[in-house]
Amino acid sequence: NAGVTQTPKFQVLKTGQSMTLQCAQDMNHNSMYWYRQDPGMGLRLIYYSASEGTTDKGEVPNGYNVSRLNKREFSLRLESAAPSQTSVYFCASSEGQPRHYGYTFGSGTRLTVV
Amino acid sequence: AQTVTQSQPEMSVQEAETVTLSCTYDTSESDYYLFWYKQPPSRQMILVIRQEAYKQQNATENRFSVNFQKAAKSFSLKISDSQLGDAAMYFCAYRGSNYQLIWGAGTKLIIKP
Repeated sequence: NAGVTQTPKFQVLKTGQSMTLQCAQDMNHNSMYWYRQDPGMGLRLIYYSASEGTTDKGEVPNGYNVSRLNKREFSLRLESAAPSQTSVYFCASSEGQPRHYGYTFGSGTRLTVV
Repeated sequence: AQTVTQSQPEMSVQEAETVTLSCTYDTSESDYYLFWYKQPPSRQMILVIRQEAYKQQNATENRFSVNFQKAAKSFSLKISDSQLGDAAMYFCAYRGSNYQLIWGAGTKLIIKP
């Protein structure tokens, strides 16, 4: 099925450990996004990639890095995990144009940092 | 900067009845798109309905419809004949000239059997 695939679905890290969240889409979308979702706060943009080869900071980029490996893949890396990064992470993709398409989301990664 | 506000953290409705979820937004743009997304307990974000700002006609998708008031910057979602499967978090979102989605904080919808 066409869509956005995120791995892993669940992860527990110790403070200071590093990990990479993987995201791939097969819809030939130009733009990809990483969000975090915390209770009562909706979705907050961490980083986005408007097109292959470009990345930009979103609302809450501190403590994260991203790589747009190719048009399909957009990874999110936590270099030194902190308890404040405990959250649910979503990857999404979209066409830049037309804007009415909205986003297609992955199923999310629940990350717990202890 | 654009903002999206959902003032109802939680709503409940009896099965088979109608419920309206509120959303207001702030923007100086005239050309934009508005969306409602549903997030059931499975966590999957599902697009429910979209509205183009330059269209006066309110969008409808089966039991879901919107009341779009452009001058008031209001975009409410009406769910008719509520079903148990409608229980979820509902998020309102705005997409303007920079193509990024701006999200509300969400409304939790509870369906009472």
